[in-house]
Amino acid sequence: DADVTQTPRNRITKTGKRIMLECSQTKGHDRMYWYRQDPGLGLRLIYYSFDVKDINKGEISDGYSVSRQAQAKFSLSLESAIPNQTALYFCATSDSGQGNTGELFFGEGSRLTVL
Amino acid sequence: GQNIDQPTEMTATEGAIVQINCTYQTSGFNGLFWYQQHAGEAPTFLSYNVLDGLEEKGRFSSFLSRSKGYSYLLLKELQMKDSASYLCAPCSGGSYIPTFGRGTSLIVHP
Repeated sequence: DADVTQTPRNRITKTGKRIMLECSQTKGHDRMYWYRQDPGLGLRLIYYSFDVKDINKGEISDGYSVSRQAQAKFSLSLESAIPNQTALYFCATSDSGQGNTGELFFGEGSRLTVL
Repeated sequence: GQNIDQPTEMTATEGAIVQINCTYQTSGFNGLFWYQQHAGEAPTFLSYNVLDGLEEKGRFSSFLSRSKGYSYLLLKELQMKDSASYLCAPCSGGSYIPTFGRGTSLIVHP
């Protein structure tokens, strides 16, 4: 089983619908992140959380919200999806402990299409 | 913000050596990551450089020059499975969160 699990893996929805992407991890990491990836634009940070009560906006947070329900769970919501939110979304985790490089461990991705 | 520049695409021959360059401009630099991403898959960690110099890890090596804002990833004895996108990601500020470049798509041909 994957250490970082994203659901759903694929989703097609219509403009205006509310969408939630979920991420859970078994790595015991404190930090969790949501990125989106678009062709030619690389990975861009949407939101990140360093602990259960900590939520921070990333580079492109407009139109998105997140919830850190537990240390192991971090969900991303699109309140009213629009076509330019069509992208591949990645959840990632990292460990802030001393001696760690802070490398990110990514989920397998959630491909979202907004029609 | 950070300006990260790496070539969009490179091609190389199986068995050869290829160097993927990355330049960046950032304040409060902490270190630099390289990740590999195969098409349709998640990125996976390759290396993290904090100090100047070359760090070797098997067929892959990564170099950093902090004063020049420059890094490269060196891949030796190329294999077909090395065809992938390579992402340069410097970290800055107290949060140590990497910012990703647009990636270099490497195509290895026989």
